[in-house]
Amino acid sequence: GNSVTQMEGPVTLSEEAFLTINCTYTATGYPSLFWYVQYPGEGLQLLLKATKADDKGSNKGFEATYRKETTSFHLEKGSVQVSDSAVYFCALSVRGATNKLIFGTGTLLAVQP
Amino acid sequence: GAGVSQSPSNKVTEKGKDVELRCDPISGHTALYWYRQSLGQGLEFLIYFQGNSAPDKSGLPSDRFSAERTGGSVSTLTIQRTQQEDSAVYLCASSLQGRDTNTGELFFGEGSRLTVL
Repeated sequence: GNSVTQMEGPVTLSEEAFLTINCTYTATGYPSLFWYVQYPGEGLQLLLKATKADDKGSNKGFEATYRKETTSFHLEKGSVQVSDSAVYFCALSVRGATNKLIFGTGTLLAVQP
Repeated sequence: GAGVSQSPSNKVTEKGKDVELRCDPISGHTALYWYRQSLGQGLEFLIYFQGNSAPDKSGLPSDRFSAERTGGSVSTLTIQRTQQEDSAVYLCASSLQGRDTNTGELFFGEGSRLTVL
């Protein structure tokens, strides 16, 4: 079946540190891959996406590259800010009758000044 | 408003009672999803509506859970005879999505937090 595995948190970093949140997936077919973010007190929102192998999604300084050979979609940012503190969810969708998103368990990121 | 609206934002109920949670999606969005967010469990897919097609109910955890979407817009998730393990945040999302396309962008509401005592 389709599933997403992401690193457990919490991840605690100092401001301006480098961030990596690992995400790997298992999917039948050719999935699209996503990172969603949930800021404190807010609903989930799409951060970035990639729809085919070797695509790189990017937004707000975050990047993730769709790696088919390693079935991974790791989230990276070169210099985190306090405002990046949130829960990050990796997700996939396989085109088909439902197109529903399958989410990972989420990773809490806490950035300290 | 312009976003996905859910009500109530918080609901405390006693074990065995029925609850209804409402979702008002973004106008014009054809796809509507319900997810459940439990502590440490991530987001669990419950049910999906797409236009006039039969809903995908594959994620509903038991027959105590049901959902409907009236007129292709507002949706209600009903939990009968609530149990303590039903305590979670119930999230609704909508998407402008056709059967053969997948932008992947779901627009989420802020959720309804259910606490079953």
